[in-house]
Amino acid sequence: NAGVTQTPKFQVLKTGQSMTLQCAQDMNHEYMSWYRQDPGMGLRLIHYSVGAGITDQGEVPNGYNVSRSTTEDFPLRLLSAAPSQTSVYFCASSYMGHSYNEQFFGPGTRLTVL
Amino acid sequence: KNEVEQSPQNLTAQEGEFITINCSYSVGISALHWLQQHPGGGIVSLFMLSSGKKKHGRLIATINIQEKHSSLHITASHPRDSAVYICAVRSVNSNTGNQFYFGTGTSLTVIP
Repeated sequence: NAGVTQTPKFQVLKTGQSMTLQCAQDMNHEYMSWYRQDPGMGLRLIHYSVGAGITDQGEVPNGYNVSRSTTEDFPLRLLSAAPSQTSVYFCASSYMGHSYNEQFFGPGTRLTVL
Repeated sequence: KNEVEQSPQNLTAQEGEFITINCSYSVGISALHWLQQHPGGGIVSLFMLSSGKKKHGRLIATINIQEKHSSLHITASHPRDSAVYICAVRSVNSNTGNQFYFGTGTSLTVIP
């Protein structure tokens, strides 16, 4: 199993540009989520999904969109990039059941918005 | 307000020392996770706890549900243990059923 994969690993954008961060998992996990990690702060939830066709907002959703058309994929879209979105982004997945709630993380995407 | 607090924020130890990292949380939880993040690297799950104690090699994690506190211990520390250790809790009060709250991490440096 490849686990959780993310692309790209690094990205530089100009203010106002849009882009999509890709995330895929091959473990048949129902739950997928996107976090951002900023210096001095814990990981913060952006959006999450509990299954194909179902998404919801997390703690810091503004400026981001998601969709979940398949169980495997959960892309994160930046609609109009802003310098405040400079961060490291992690995708994670897990089973929904209480007994199997370990989260598996992707390698991260380091995004810089100029 | 942080649902999860870790201490210390930074820790430097000599190789071989016994290390303790603490985590306190304020929400009801179904499980607590200890994660490890190496510089420039991804995040790996070390432990998932809902009660008691777990041991993997030189790492030991304990949790006291009544006191809402967990500790991560590293015995005979080694430079390769240098990383950021993150405490995360899975809340039982979340509508999502899977909401995680994360501490800001403890940066550990082990000097040879």
